[in-house]
Amino acid sequence: GAGVSQSPSNKVTEKGKDVELRCDPISGHTALYWYRQRLGQGLEFLIYFQGNSAPDKSGLPSDRFSAERTGESVSTLTIQRTQQEDSAVYLCASTRQGGGQYEQYFGPGTRLTVT
Amino acid sequence: KQEVTQIPAALSVPEGENLVLNCSFTDSAIYNLQWFRQDPGKGLTSLLLIQSSQREQTSGRLNASLDKSSGRSTLYIAASQPGDSATYLCAASGAGSYQLTFGKGTKLSVIP
Repeated sequence: GAGVSQSPSNKVTEKGKDVELRCDPISGHTALYWYRQRLGQGLEFLIYFQGNSAPDKSGLPSDRFSAERTGESVSTLTIQRTQQEDSAVYLCASTRQGGGQYEQYFGPGTRLTVT
Repeated sequence: KQEVTQIPAALSVPEGENLVLNCSFTDSAIYNLQWFRQDPGKGLTSLLLIQSSQREQTSGRLNASLDKSSGRSTLYIAASQPGDSATYLCAASGAGSYQLTFGKGTKLSVIP
């Protein structure tokens, strides 16, 4: 079946503009994660959605970052008033169920460049 | 807080060699440990997942081991090929925490 998909694959934006990144998880996967990978750094956890439960936003770096997910479908990550330090690859992953013990499947990522 | 370290940061080997990549983690209370491969400009491809109750997993030429007591995992690649060239990441899922904590990866180059 289809894997996790993300769009756009690349995004170049000017400092101060807002951007929206999209993730389509594997059909039937109830849990969805967003991670960020800055150049030369490991992946950083941003936010976790599980079904209709309140999301875990503990990894979001500032209040300029927000994410939404409706049910068990598409998620969007929004970055307002982008800064150069937001430049990174943003990766989305989904798992069959929540709880941490299941294999995470990753999308190809969105490469964000803030000029 | 879980911390994951991978050594070495980069490794270059001639084709056909067997090799071992190392991963260590600070909190042994993990649900599982996952090894990924990342190719330039691409997302992550899951290679192997070891549950906390397991000691190893095998897939083709890959074998991953887990020693929770020492906080270590290794990824063994047999008979390396140029197509194995990529960055290999290990990630630990902590008990009570559903997020993965990643190491910075080992960049592997297999020379023909």
